Amino acid sequence: QKEVEQNSGPLSVPEGAIASLNCTYSDRVSQSFFWYRQYSGKSPELIMSIYSNGDKEDGRFTAQLNKASQYVSLLIRDSHPSDSATYLCAVNPGTASKLTFGTGTRLQVTL
Amino acid sequence: EAGVAQSPRYKIIEKRQSVAFWCNPISGHATLYWYQQILGQGPKLLIQFQNNGVVDDSQLPKDRFSAERLKGVDSTLKIQPAKLEDSAVYLCASTAVGYEQYFGPGTRLTVT
Repeated sequence: QKEVEQNSGPLSVPEGAIASLNCTYSDRVSQSFFWYRQYSGKSPELIMSIYSNGDKEDGRFTAQLNKASQYVSLLIRDSHPSDSATYLCAVNPGTASKLTFGTGTRLQVTL
Repeated sequence: EAGVAQSPRYKIIEKRQSVAFWCNPISGHATLYWYQQILGQGPKLLIQFQNNGVVDDSQLPKDRFSAERLKGVDSTLKIQPAKLEDSAVYLCASTAVGYEQYFGPGTRLTVT
């Protein structure tokens, strides 16, 4: 079983819709969770971090964490074509500050 | 605030040659990471430094990869000799407190 699992996509949503990206993780002691956006040919860019159960909102982005279900998600409201990228879920497994990344979900926002 | 700097941005070498990558973290960031990202995959941690000490190098192929951070600031990652499967983007990241890591632009390595 992979430590951090994401659907590779592509996830296609029309402009203005809500994009929902999901991630599951295997290590129950994981404490910190992150979403990175990676445009093609670029490096990952941190967009959200979440540390406790529930929702965390930042502009058009909402991160949701459910530690009991070992599930973290990212919602992008009012999707723009510029949101088209690969979204990486990263989890701190509780050992120092090491991060384990999923393989990413490719999001396509269509006009 | 300046971000994480890396050089070179691109490198093409032949197999069995050696190559070195350089990283300068965000000023004041004590922790520095080197990741390898193969096309279509997420970044994989190679080595983590806290100041000039190694915290985690469990996934570093030590027979060919080496890394150092002698003065606790910038760092060098070396591959000697390179193999075809080393073709990837090598990312450097740094963090101050907590776990929010910030990445540099990466070095794209092609081994032919």
